[in-house]
Amino acid sequence: QSALTQPPSVSGSPGQSVTIACTGTRNDIGSYSRVSWYQQPPGTAPKLIIYEVSNRPSGVPDRFSGSKSGSTASLTISGLQAEDEGDYFCSSFTSTTTDIVFGGGTKLTVL
Amino acid sequence: QVQLQESGPGLVKPSQTLSLTCTVSGVSISSGGSYWSWVRQHPGKGLEWIGYIYYSGITSYNPSFKSRVFISVDTSKNQFSLRLTSVTAADTAIYYCAKVSGYDRHFDYWGQGTLITVSS
Repeated sequence: QSALTQPPSVSGSPGQSVTIACTGTRNDIGSYSRVSWYQQPPGTAPKLIIYEVSNRPSGVPDRFSGSKSGSTASLTISGLQAEDEGDYFCSSFTSTTTDIVFGGGTKLTVL
Repeated sequence: QVQLQESGPGLVKPSQTLSLTCTVSGVSISSGGSYWSWVRQHPGKGLEWIGYIYYSGITSYNPSFKSRVFISVDTSKNQFSLRLTSVTAADTAIYYCAKVSGYDRHFDYWGQGTLITVSS
């Protein structure tokens, strides 16, 4: 069981927007703005797409955005494209002995 | 550009020790500011943080691995390594090495991953 909770799957049609939630506790997301998101197309390594809740690394389209409210972080993908299909993982710093925690991952299907 | 590459045997026997090395290029491990980490992923499952090391040798491990894990660094070769002892079939997974931001712990660069199978 992962420390952060994500929905197993989400889907949307091309051009639509989808939001993936990542729920933690006061030990991680609730107390720190150190949330990151990763995209993992099938058969590839994860790729950083959001860090520090809402910052995008160079080269990541602005269709990807992040936010946080309380102990829940969210990733929104607008203007869905077929290439966005894959798994998405959230991660956070935690003040517990674990230090870093991941969500269980969400599979995005573009219909 | 920053690149990481895992290397090591793809097959390990039960009860033996899994050993992997990550070779880093494009940045010096000794430059500081980053942690150097191992993450694994069971086939079709989520990501699991194993631990990380700083260039000075300071480490942090996921308690789930108890005393089985050891991460070391060789700054002269710009490499860091993972040792996982007493492996079982449950340790069969894809193992990734990654560079981690020292502040907010985001993984900004990843290796391609290597599949390790534990089987006799």
